[in-house]
Amino acid sequence: QLQLQQSGPGLVKPSDTLSLTCTVSGGSISNSPYFWGWIRQPPGRGLEWVGSVSDSGSPNYSPSLKSRLTISVDTSKNQFSLRLSSVTAADTAVYYCARHDYRDFDYWGQGTLVTVSS
Amino acid sequence: QTVVTQEPSFSVSPGGTVTLTCGLSSGSVSTSYFPSWYQQTPGQAPRTLIYSTSTRSSGVPDRFSGSILGNKAALTITGAQADDQCDYYCVLYMGRGIWVFGGGTKLTVL
Repeated sequence: QLQLQQSGPGLVKPSDTLSLTCTVSGGSISNSPYFWGWIRQPPGRGLEWVGSVSDSGSPNYSPSLKSRLTISVDTSKNQFSLRLSSVTAADTAVYYCARHDYRDFDYWGQGTLVTVSS
Repeated sequence: QTVVTQEPSFSVSPGGTVTLTCGLSSGSVSTSYFPSWYQQTPGQAPRTLIYSTSTRSSGVPDRFSGSILGNKAALTITGAQADDQCDYYCVLYMGRGIWVFGGGTKLTVL
């Protein structure tokens, strides 16, 4: 059974960089037909696709976040990561990692609440 | 930027039928957008109900069905139950490696 385990700090200061990692077990990121993505959900609000990366490392980003966003993959560790720079309070959200293809976000991480506050 | 629209809230009686929709601020939803539907209960990650417009995910009861109705994707719940009360999200693939979630529908069963 595929599992996605998220790690990273729950508190980030304004203007700093938010960093999260998602470790995949029960399956390999390498040579996979899937995308490995991040989705966030501000408190009390809806889901927002942040961006995704393929096993080759080719990323796709939400246009609204593109200038601050880096998503990368480390196939040797079977992990993928999110870095969001220059964060503000508006970036406070539960961040989820997920496996998906064009049709279906089928496996999700447990979610990490990241609060941006000094 | 194109917005994916959903009803903010909907109410259905127990045992009743409800259809939630997923549209575009500009244009029509077709199967080419690979519409999918997710159910989210408080504090939990979303789980897939429907993908590729109308394919039920493994373990999803057949009272959940997906379709294209007019210019929107639709999720129909027949025989609504109390534990169907939660949030529902659609996702559309916009092409060029971009996915967009709808704003979500809060379903009340009463």
